[in-house]
Amino acid sequence: AQSVTQLDSQVPVFEEAPVELRCNYSSSVSVYLFWYVQYPNQGLQLLLKYLSGSTLVESINGFEAEFNKSQTSFHLRKPSVHISDTAEYFCAVSDGGSQGNLIFGKGTKLSVKP
Amino acid sequence: GAVVSQHPSWVICKSGTSVKIECRSLDFQATTMFWYRQFPKQSLMLMATSNEGSKATYEQGVEKDKFLINHASLTLSTLTVTSAHPEDSSFYICSARDHWKDWDTQYFGPGTRLTVL
Repeated sequence: AQSVTQLDSQVPVFEEAPVELRCNYSSSVSVYLFWYVQYPNQGLQLLLKYLSGSTLVESINGFEAEFNKSQTSFHLRKPSVHISDTAEYFCAVSDGGSQGNLIFGKGTKLSVKP
Repeated sequence: GAVVSQHPSWVICKSGTSVKIECRSLDFQATTMFWYRQFPKQSLMLMATSNEGSKATYEQGVEKDKFLINHASLTLSTLTVTSAHPEDSSFYICSARDHWKDWDTQYFGPGTRLTVL
């Protein structure tokens, strides 16, 4: 069975500081990995995903995540955060089967302070 | 592109009544739709998966007679919470996937807040 662990439930940082949101997964098969962001009172939006190929994936708003198979991790990073990055971030894993079911972590609330 | 809407965005109902939530893919055909439930400060819990024209597949512990799912067209799925009780109060989120175009990605609706009094 697959599972996702997000080690930090809350991460407070100051504006323009770097941030890393940690995600570890367990799976006995090849996986696809995703980061979703949920802004207050909104639905989840896909931030970035890893399917295959380059282990470093980037989003359009400056976030990046690196797939590390040996450490079974897919940590999300941003070198300089903005107030607008305040949101809940969910890491998810899929085995890519016909149904493509996602298993989500419990989420990390990122709070960016001025 | 890949917009998913839900209606209503919030609903309050009395205990014992039924509530229907709609999930629509606005600009793509959703071969598969997913229904999730999210409790406060918790992650999303998959309730069921439905393919267009087929019966939904429910996750273990989810009562299929209580949470009725219909996926009659490629753009619409409905979740009906029957005989709702206060413990059914939650945030219900749907997602949709186009298996033939962007098979690996689920696109999420904004969610429906259900409060049962």
